Amino acid sequence: AQKITQTQPGMFVQEKEAVTLDCTYDTSDPSYGLFWYKQPSSGEMIFLIYQGSYDQQNATEGRYSLNFQKARKSANLVISASQLGDSAMYFCAIARWDKIIFGKGTRLHILP
Amino acid sequence: SQTIHQWPATLVQPVGSPLSLECTVEGTSNPNLYWYRQAAGRGLQLLFYSVGIGQISSEVPQNLSASRPQDRQFILSSKKLLLSDSGFYLCAWSSSLTSGGGDEQFFGPGTRLTVL
Repeated sequence: AQKITQTQPGMFVQEKEAVTLDCTYDTSDPSYGLFWYKQPSSGEMIFLIYQGSYDQQNATEGRYSLNFQKARKSANLVISASQLGDSAMYFCAIARWDKIIFGKGTRLHILP
Repeated sequence: SQTIHQWPATLVQPVGSPLSLECTVEGTSNPNLYWYRQAAGRGLQLLFYSVGIGQISSEVPQNLSASRPQDRQFILSSKKLLLSDSGFYLCAWSSSLTSGGGDEQFFGPGTRLTVL
């Protein structure tokens, strides 16, 4: 069975600082994908970044990067130069084949 | 381009009443389809997923059911709603099986259900 753990229920960060959101996972599958989603107060789920288990390099998408440490089974999201609009819930997820399992999320508050 | 629709956007229903939430996807064929529920301030709970017409997998036993009458249509139903069914219901789709790593899921706008 697959499992995702996000240990930070909430975080407060000063605007323009970098943010690291923690995510650890557990799976016995050799092949899997890791995702991060952002959910603002409007409720929509916005895909941010994807990391395949066989990818050699860490994924990056603009200000988002995924710090993938396969041996430690961690997939932390790093947001550089945070902005007020980054305030939202962030979900880490693991996928294999036909379904995704989500973590409980981290609520990020960016302070002006 | 692909789009995913959900309706209604909001719904207030009395306990014991039936439920039908609909989700449709456009611009893709044979998608994998998913229903999630998100209780207030909490994470997403996978309820059902479907890899094809008439094929439904249930993740959590409950008084909800799902059906997929057409390739790009996914319906969430209940015969009698409970108070605990209140929440934010999200439908999502992903491409059919391509590799063992899974594909990103694209979410609909959601339905906010309040059971009174």
